[in-house]
Amino acid sequence: AQKITQTQPGMFVQEKEAVTLDCTYDTSDPSYGLFWYKQPSSGEMIFLIYQGSYDQQNATEGRYSLNFQKARKSANLVISASQLGDSAMYFCAMREGPGSARQLTFGSGTQLTVLP
Amino acid sequence: GAVVSQHPSRVICKSGTSVKIECRSLDFQATTMFWYRQFPKQSLMLMATSNEGSKATYEQGVEKDKFLINHASLTLSTLTVTSAHPEDSSFYICSAYETGYTDTQYFGPGTRLTVL
Repeated sequence: AQKITQTQPGMFVQEKEAVTLDCTYDTSDPSYGLFWYKQPSSGEMIFLIYQGSYDQQNATEGRYSLNFQKARKSANLVISASQLGDSAMYFCAMREGPGSARQLTFGSGTQLTVLP
Repeated sequence: GAVVSQHPSRVICKSGTSVKIECRSLDFQATTMFWYRQFPKQSLMLMATSNEGSKATYEQGVEKDKFLINHASLTLSTLTVTSAHPEDSSFYICSAYETGYTDTQYFGPGTRLTVL
């Protein structure tokens, strides 16, 4: 079974609108971390936001927020006030288990295009 | 966030030659680094986990003798693609953990390898 599922291969959003990128995960470990990364056409992976499994509140970082629904095992990324520079591939990733130095499992990604 | 550099950013070589890619954590020490491979329009595939001072742990299906990994210091890991062939052409990207609350992986800018 897929550990991280991103069901939207491509998304379009109008500039200045908000957009939600979906991510569901599957794990039996009670301790895990969820990450979102942005990959522009240059290829670099840019860390956006983190949500820990024990965090009570949804994570927010500037225009990025993570809609964490633990019972549904979903961790959707919300980008508010989209900008042209937000056009990129977005990956959801999970680290299972406590402690550092554990590998990440990535979803297949969502290509976001912001329209002027 | 933490900075990870990768060198070279792009390399073109002839079939049969070896190529070394360096991954450095610039402002933090990383006992563990990861090497990923990414094909066009696909997600990142973990190749190996690089541990400082010990042998790397390779994922199933990754040839150890083909992809040599050395993690000689807390800030440097190298990936050597030995006797490269056209099928080794890909985007190689490394990451390093900055330990802390989120234990976030920060990625290098990637290396695009083209084997002729």
